[in-house]
Amino acid sequence: QQPVQSPQAVILREGEDAVINCSSSKALYSVHWYRQKHGEAPVFLMILLKGGEQKGHEKISASFNEKKQQSSLYLTASQLSYSGTYFCGSSGNTPLVFGKGTRLSVIA
Amino acid sequence: DAGVTQSPTHLIKTRGQQVTLRCSPKSGHDTVSWYQQALGQGPQFIFQYYEEEERQRGNFPDRFSGHQFPNYSSELNVNALLLGDSALYLCASSGRAWGEKLFFGSGTQLSVL
Repeated sequence: QQPVQSPQAVILREGEDAVINCSSSKALYSVHWYRQKHGEAPVFLMILLKGGEQKGHEKISASFNEKKQQSSLYLTASQLSYSGTYFCGSSGNTPLVFGKGTRLSVIA
Repeated sequence: DAGVTQSPTHLIKTRGQQVTLRCSPKSGHDTVSWYQQALGQGPQFIFQYYEEEERQRGNFPDRFSGHQFPNYSSELNVNALLLGDSALYLCASSGRAWGEKLFFGSGTQLSVL
């Protein structure tokens, strides 16, 4: 079942923060986050495994709440390079199923 | 180290025709997954190949078929093309375990007229 992402789109000014949510009605075993820039392939950001862990990479971090079957991606002090569409993907012992994406635009 | 390569990058076909898309996985990867991405949508899983066998299939008709070769490269074939098949077709390679991170190719943009 396809995970649900919110919001669908967000516009930020440089330096602002954003949160993108991903939820599923089906049990999540792991959550992936990818970013796709216009006209390019999706690029892997991070994987979170069940256990409530939080991961980070520079100013982009994510959390995974297994009980709520929800993951959130946090973008701190956004930069122009953060613009793109962010997809979460859920996986059990199954191929990755992606949400519809959240379009993030960072403006100067 | 070459990443995932796909060919061709763009393709224009007419309804009813057949098309073959090709993918070479990243070095060290033995599993290839194919995804269809319609404009403004997330990638939709078509099928996955491992050890030259179709390991799992998404909700796509039999018009969509594939193959994996001994060198792990893969082909996606679509028969009897429909207008609705117009999309970006992405190939992703990974290790064999479920849930491993995917490395995507740049995709093939298919337009059906």
